Amino acid sequence: EAAVTQSPRNKVAVTGGKVTLSCNQTNNHNNMYWYRQDTGHGLRLIHYSYGAGSTEKGDIPDGYKASRPSQENFSLILELATPSQTSVYFCASGDAGGSQDTQYFGPGTRLLVL
Amino acid sequence: QQQVRQSPQSLTVWEGGTTVLTCSYEDSTFNYFPWYQQFPGEGPALLISILSVSDKKEDGRFTTFFNKREKKLSLHIIDSQPGDSATYFCAAQSSTGYQNFYFGKGTSLTVIP
Repeated sequence: EAAVTQSPRNKVAVTGGKVTLSCNQTNNHNNMYWYRQDTGHGLRLIHYSYGAGSTEKGDIPDGYKASRPSQENFSLILELATPSQTSVYFCASGDAGGSQDTQYFGPGTRLLVL
Repeated sequence: QQQVRQSPQSLTVWEGGTTVLTCSYEDSTFNYFPWYQQFPGEGPALLISILSVSDKKEDGRFTTFFNKREKKLSLHIIDSQPGDSATYFCAAQSSTGYQNFYFGKGTSLTVIP
């Protein structure tokens, strides 16, 4: 059974619209992450969370909000979507054993902003 | 500033050959180095990892080497197979905390039968 799931898998949005990407994990991990993946940039961290109720800014947080209402769920919110946010978004949960954080990724959400 | 530099960006090898991917870094607090493998349409998955106290870790056809003095690491795939065709990411994590986790830009590997 997939331990990290994302929904939707594909999304088309309009510029200025609100987009919510959802992530659910059954690993019981404290840490969760949102990345975007673009050609030439690899994986870039947007937001992360240490547990329910916490959100932290990653390397590229501008234009994004995050919400962690429970251990299992972590959402990424684009309040006013822009074409530059067209990308593939990955959620991950982290098994932080000391300083060795093995991350388990979901299958990704492909977002197109027109 | 790119915390982890990875090369080459893409690589093509023949089936049965040896693949070598390399990464370098500057931050001396990095002490954990995982390699992730990503197939098209999927998320990355942990392939192999190494701690800075070791210089080599092997898992079947995959071996990662770590050179602390030169701040470099590499991934070797022997007897490369078409099924190894994927994008490979090296990553580095700082001993100062798990929020300091950085990925390289990835290497796209194609193994030709």
